[in-house]
Amino acid sequence: GNSVTQMEGPVTLSEEAFLTINCTYTATGYPSLFWYVQYPGEGLQLLLKATKADDKGSNKGFEATYRKETTSFHLEKGSVQVSDSAVYFCALGGNNRLAFGKGNQVVVIP
Amino acid sequence: DAGVTQSPTHLIKTRGQQVTLRCSPKSGHDTVSWYQQALGQGPQFIFQYYEEEERQRGNFPDRFSGHQFPNYSSELNVNALLLGDSALYLCASSSTGVDTQYFGPGTRLTVL
Repeated sequence: GNSVTQMEGPVTLSEEAFLTINCTYTATGYPSLFWYVQYPGEGLQLLLKATKADDKGSNKGFEATYRKETTSFHLEKGSVQVSDSAVYFCALGGNNRLAFGKGNQVVVIP
Repeated sequence: DAGVTQSPTHLIKTRGQQVTLRCSPKSGHDTVSWYQQALGQGPQFIFQYYEEEERQRGNFPDRFSGHQFPNYSSELNVNALLLGDSALYLCASSSTGVDTQYFGPGTRLTVL
């Protein structure tokens, strides 16, 4: 079945540092890929998406490219802010459902 | 334009009780999905409703049931609550044929 794997453990970094969160997937067919963000005590907000191979999703300085050859959808941001502190989830869409990774907590220190 | 809304925000129940959670989809959306998010985990798909019928179901027991109304709003019912049902329950809405789902703020259920 469809599944998503995110890198283990929280990510702690200083303000203005470069952020990368790895995401790989296993799927049949050509699923859509998503990144959602969850702030403390809140639901999930859609951050960006890509619907086909080589598409790049982008929003609020975050980017991710749908790489079919490596089955990856890594999230990047060039210069993080304290307000980017949250939990980030990679998700795969298909068959009328989303399959999520376990999430990565990102802590940005001033 | 109102987004996805859920009620109640928090709920405390005891083992064996039954609970009903409610969701109103984003304007223009006709499909509602429910997810369970345990502490420190990613959301797990429970089921999806479209045209007032359950269209897809995840790996959850029959204690979890749902309903969709003609106005597209939805309910999630859980019977015979277990301690392990304690979680954040998320509702998401979408338009049929579109993969992108938009989430509500969730209902935090605590089972004592």
